[in-house]
Amino acid sequence: AQSVTQPDIHITVSEGASLELRCNYSYGATPYLFWYVQSPGQGLQLLLKYFSGDTLVQGIKGFEAEFKRSQSSFNLRKPSVHWSDAAEYFCAVANTGFQKLVFGTGTRLLVSP
Amino acid sequence: DVKVTQSSRYLVKRTGEKVFLECVQDMDHENMFWYRQDPGLGLRLIYFSYDVKMKEKGDIPEGYSVSREKKERFSLILESASTNQTSMYLCASIILGAEGYTFGSGTRLTVV
Repeated sequence: AQSVTQPDIHITVSEGASLELRCNYSYGATPYLFWYVQSPGQGLQLLLKYFSGDTLVQGIKGFEAEFKRSQSSFNLRKPSVHWSDAAEYFCAVANTGFQKLVFGTGTRLLVSP
Repeated sequence: DVKVTQSSRYLVKRTGEKVFLECVQDMDHENMFWYRQDPGLGLRLIYFSYDVKMKEKGDIPEGYSVSREKKERFSLILESASTNQTSMYLCASIILGAEGYTFGSGTRLTVV
């Protein structure tokens, strides 16, 4: 069975600074990896995904993530954070066939002026 | 755009009631899922279904059951609601090879 660890519960970043949110997964086969964002009172929005191919994937809103098989990681990055990026971010892993999608516990991003 | 529709945005039920949460998707997706979301715990998978009448337990199935009689509809059932089932419930669906999972807007259930 797959699992996801997001080690940071909260992160505070100054507006304009760079951001990296950590995600480690556990899965025996090739994983399908996702990052979702949830703003307060809103639903889940897909930021980006990795299925195969280039290990650096680009998403919406200027986010990118890098799949590192050797480290079982899929960290999310953004070069310059905006105040509107304040939200909760979830990493998730699906098994082959997309029959089961498992989420991490989330990282809440706070953006300071 | 694919839509996943959850019938209720907010529900308040009494302890011991039987509760039905409905989810409908409009794009012939094979796989459907029910999650509950609680602060600090993320989204936890309750049940999923990969075909009509097929279901699999997720990580926290206790106290819940599901029904999938038609491909587009996946229902979550709380046989006897308890206060510890107060939570946000999210439905999702996906078609194989699709761009990603599509989530409904959620049902916030309060059991009193």
